Amino acid sequence: NAGVTQTPKFQVLKTGQSMTLQCAQDMNHNSMYWYRQDPGMGLRLIYYSASEGTTDKGEVPNGYNVSRLNKREFSLRLESAAPSQTSVYFCASSHRGEYGYTFGSGTRLTVV
Amino acid sequence: KQEVTQIPAALSVPEGENLVLNCSFTDSAIYNLQWFRQDPGKGLTSLLLIQSSQREQTSGRLNASLDKSSGRSTLYIAASQPGDSATYLCAVPVSGGYQKVTFGTGTKLQVIP
Repeated sequence: NAGVTQTPKFQVLKTGQSMTLQCAQDMNHNSMYWYRQDPGMGLRLIYYSASEGTTDKGEVPNGYNVSRLNKREFSLRLESAAPSQTSVYFCASSHRGEYGYTFGSGTRLTVV
Repeated sequence: KQEVTQIPAALSVPEGENLVLNCSFTDSAIYNLQWFRQDPGKGLTSLLLIQSSQREQTSGRLNASLDKSSGRSTLYIAASQPGDSATYLCAVPVSGGYQKVTFGTGTKLQVIP
């Protein structure tokens, strides 16, 4: 089925470890996004890529880096994980936002 | 800065009841508004997208309306069922564009059999 695929679904990291969350979409969307969702805080934008070759900071970019590898793939990297980065991470894509957003199923990350 | 409020934060209703969920936003210069549902531990599923030129959209038992001038959208669920139990979120473009959206914190709905 067409959509947004995220890997992994679950991950436990130790403080200071690094990891990359992968996201791929097969809807030929131009824009891709990374959000984190925390209880009581709602969904907050970390980084987004309006089109292939561009990336911009969102509301909470500190501690993260992103790469728009090609039109399909947008990865999120934690260089040195901290307990404050324990969260559920969602990737989303859209055709410039005009026709709404499609979300992946999420990655549940725990940093101990 | 676009601010989005969803009231109530939680709602519990008996099965079969019709109900309305509310979404308010501060900047009315929006291109569209999207409603999602989120089941516990799951991702967001798109329910309805209303373009700024439309006043409402319908899908099955769901009807969403948009009143840009008052900064409000409502999601109407007819004849609620236990399977409708979920958190409902609205997403509104940030001020001045549609490349990014701001989410409300959601309304958690429980439909009691």
